[in-house]
Amino acid sequence: DGGITQSPKYLFRKEGQNVTLSCEQNLNHDAMYWYRQDPGQGLRLIYYSQIVNDFQKGDIAEGYSVSREKKESFPLTVTSAQKNPTAFYLCASSIVTDLETQYFGPGTRLLVL
Amino acid sequence: AQTVTQSQPEMSVQEAETVTLSCTYDTSESDYYLFWYKQPPSRQMILVIRQEAYKQQNATENRFSVNFQKAAKSFSLKISDSQLGDAAMYFCAYRHSISSGSARQLTFGSGTQLTVLP
Repeated sequence: DGGITQSPKYLFRKEGQNVTLSCEQNLNHDAMYWYRQDPGQGLRLIYYSQIVNDFQKGDIAEGYSVSREKKESFPLTVTSAQKNPTAFYLCASSIVTDLETQYFGPGTRLLVL
Repeated sequence: AQTVTQSQPEMSVQEAETVTLSCTYDTSESDYYLFWYKQPPSRQMILVIRQEAYKQQNATENRFSVNFQKAAKSFSLKISDSQLGDAAMYFCAYRHSISSGSARQLTFGSGTQLTVLP
């Protein structure tokens, strides 16, 4: 079945540690996105990529990094510079046309120990 | 920058009744797209309905329909014959058109928590 997978479902980070969230899609979508969701709030864009080996910062990129080495994969690293990483992280993908609609993965819950 | 406002943090509806969720947005663009997403307790974001700003006709998907008022910058979601499975957080979202030359990220409202009462 086609879809977007995110792993792990839950992730625990120790202070000073970098952690990486996985996002994989088999929809043959060119564009991929990372959003952060805090309790009671909407989603905010962290990074997005419209093509392999290229990505752009979103509204809240500080303390995060990404790579896009393969079309199917767009991992997000939460670095130690992100002082408040506890949140729900959602990955999305879409085709790159004017009618594009973003489809979302099941999300990863990141908690700080 | 564009903003999306959902002024109803919580709404409730009786099963089989109709409910309308409100959304307003602010943009200087004339060509854009609007979306309603649903986030059930599983937290998976699910697309409910989409509206292209250049279309005057309101979008409809089964029990879900929108009232798109471009001049008023209003985009409300009507759910008819509400079902228990409709209970979720509903988010309104905005995206520029490619022709605008602006980044095509989604801008989300803060959400409306819908409770369906049996």
